[in-house]
Amino acid sequence: SAVISQKPSRDICQRGTSLTIQCQVDSQVTMMFWYRQQPGQSLTLIATANQGSEATYESGFVIDKFPISRPNLTFSTLTVSNMSPEDSSIYLCSVPRPDTQYFGPGTRLTVL
Amino acid sequence: SQQGEEDPQALSIQEGENATMNCSYKTSINNLQWYRQNSGRGLVHLILIRSNEREKHSGRLRVTLDTSKKSSSLLITASRAADTASYFCATVLNTGGFKTIFGAGTRLFVKA
Repeated sequence: SAVISQKPSRDICQRGTSLTIQCQVDSQVTMMFWYRQQPGQSLTLIATANQGSEATYESGFVIDKFPISRPNLTFSTLTVSNMSPEDSSIYLCSVPRPDTQYFGPGTRLTVL
Repeated sequence: SQQGEEDPQALSIQEGENATMNCSYKTSINNLQWYRQNSGRGLVHLILIRSNEREKHSGRLRVTLDTSKKSSSLLITASRAADTASYFCATVLNTGGFKTIFGAGTRLFVKA
């Protein structure tokens, strides 16, 4: 199993600013995922973060908007840059296992 | 685009009744998983069914998979108020990695 924590749990931000979300895992993992869940919607994969290499972004997501760091095998950050109200979502990190994924509790972001 | 589509989008039942949720997907999969999400928090893994399996049980959960129709169903028997949550199917693509695509989700409300 894996225990994942995220900080902050929620935040309210002004448009044009940036927010960095932290994800901490209780064990070493090679791969971590970052997801976005817009209000009332499903999860959309933003990027895959591998330690020691650049993150791999999904179609529709770019590094300038969602820079990701992966300094070690237990930690990652996702920054939401130059925010607009459309970025209001829950952001979740997860770690994959062969038959499942473990998710963090999510960061609820509201952009005014 | 989303790999999995679910129906119904929302379901309201009385405690003790059974709840059935359906999921369809588009491409070849390695396995299909169902997750539960309470009140916009992190997702919890419920059950996995592999592409060579047709039915699986876990407690009050029963999952079926029809690869010819590219569809799956989740049955929750004898529902409880605590089952109130959003339920998502997730398909792990048959690409040799862990990339997972989530369906749109079914919001289940169980009335006491």
